Amino acid sequence: GAGVSQSPSNKVTEKGKDVELRCDPISGHTALYWYRQSLGQGLEFLIYFQGNSAPDKSGLPSDRFSAERTGGSVSTLTIQRTQQEDSAVYLCASSRNSGGYYGYTFGSGTRLTVV
Amino acid sequence: AQRVTQPEKLLSVFKGAPVELKCNYSYSGSPELFWYVQYSRQRLQLLLRHISRESIKGFTADLNKGETSFHLKKPFAQEEDSAMYYCALRTESGGYQKVTFGTGTKLQVIP
Repeated sequence: GAGVSQSPSNKVTEKGKDVELRCDPISGHTALYWYRQSLGQGLEFLIYFQGNSAPDKSGLPSDRFSAERTGGSVSTLTIQRTQQEDSAVYLCASSRNSGGYYGYTFGSGTRLTVV
Repeated sequence: AQRVTQPEKLLSVFKGAPVELKCNYSYSGSPELFWYVQYSRQRLQLLLRHISRESIKGFTADLNKGETSFHLKKPFAQEEDSAMYYCALRTESGGYQKVTFGTGTKLQVIP
């Protein structure tokens, strides 16, 4: 597509439920990233995909968080047994192979609220 | 480990005044630095990158390796510059890249 698409744009869920967040990157972008944006915390790196593999999962906050990417395209971030501290905006970005010169293109994010 | 520090959470300036948004980084290798901007209700977007030495919307940023800084500057602030600004550091290790963002500075331009 023309841009990075994320769905849903807003999600309200009850504590303890599982949620899935979806990211559809720009066609042809091999690298895909998930970040979490919290008030006062800036952008927290979660995970990075190069193709379908995730060489860096160091940012996932706990084993309740997981992500996958299939076909070198769409990625899903899953949060199991959600907690209130998971409430944040989850941003996805994609880039060409190295992401160096061209930087990232971000999606509009999914605002997750855990009640 | 790499780190990006933006010491100011909020910077308020009057329209027409000079702006400097501070960014310091810590990284032992050769850094690549970026500024990203997020206007109200819009997506986070790339503003400029140090390797291209460009000026975008009147903003410039110079990499100072001695001071490990990459401050964003504009001589005359405009109301439309009000936004959240993030400094970012790209590093590569073992063939894999990572971009670390600062905590952001909210720029408020007062009319």
